[in-house]
Amino acid sequence: NAGVIQTPRHKVTGKGQEATLWCEPISGHSAVFWYRQTIVQGLEFLTYFRNQAPIDDSGMPKERFSAQMPNQSHSTLKIQSTQPQDSAVYLCASSFLGTANTEVFFGKGTRLTVV
Amino acid sequence: GQQVQQSPASLVLQEGENAELQCNFSSTATRLQWFYQRPGGSLVSLLSNPSGTKHTGRLTSTTVTKERRGSLHISSSQITDSGTYLCARNNAGAKLTFGGGTRLTVRP
Repeated sequence: NAGVIQTPRHKVTGKGQEATLWCEPISGHSAVFWYRQTIVQGLEFLTYFRNQAPIDDSGMPKERFSAQMPNQSHSTLKIQSTQPQDSAVYLCASSFLGTANTEVFFGKGTRLTVV
Repeated sequence: GQQVQQSPASLVLQEGENAELQCNFSSTATRLQWFYQRPGGSLVSLLSNPSGTKHTGRLTSTTVTKERRGSLHISSSQITDSGTYLCARNNAGAKLTFGGGTRLTVRP
C-alpha cells in the first residue's frame, strides 16, 4: 500500500497561470478530501468526494478553484489564474466512510508557490 | 468560534519527561484523530479512537466524546518527538476539523 499519492510535490507558477494538482487515493477508499495548509490559517478543508460524487465544497473559494474526481483512482484540484495568496501546501486525503474504525490518511502534499 | 481547540499552543520538555496535550471540541464527534507533523513534513496519523483509551508505543490517546474532550499522552519524551501535534474531530470518516496544534520541543 503506497498510501495517498500526490503529484507534483512542488509546483511554482507565475501569477495568472493555471495550476493542476493530482491525487491518487488509497485503493478501495470511498472518500477523497482536499485540504490546504498555510502558516497563517493552519489546515483548512476545501472539498470532498464520496464514491466520486462531490459532497461538500464549502471550503472552496468560489472563483478560480475547482475539483474533480473522474474515476475512483484519481482526483484533481485546479486553480485558475493563480494568485500569490494561493501559495500553500495542498493536501489530499482518503478514507472509508461510515465505519466505526474510520481513519483519514493524508498524502505528502503539493507545495504550490505563486510568484 | 473555533470548533477544535488545542492546548497548550507550545510545550518545551526535557528529554525523558512526559507530555499531556489537550483537545476540546465544540460540536459532536464520532472520534478524535491525532496527527504528527514535522516542519515541512507530511501529516502522519498517530491514533484515532472514539470514546475510550488507545495505546501505541509511548502514546496514549483518551477521548471522552460526551464531554467533548480528548488528550494525547506522550511518555518518556525523546528529541525525535519534537514537532507539531494536531487533533482533528472526525465524523465517521467525513471531513476533519483541525485544531491549531501543539508545538512540542524536546531538549536534551
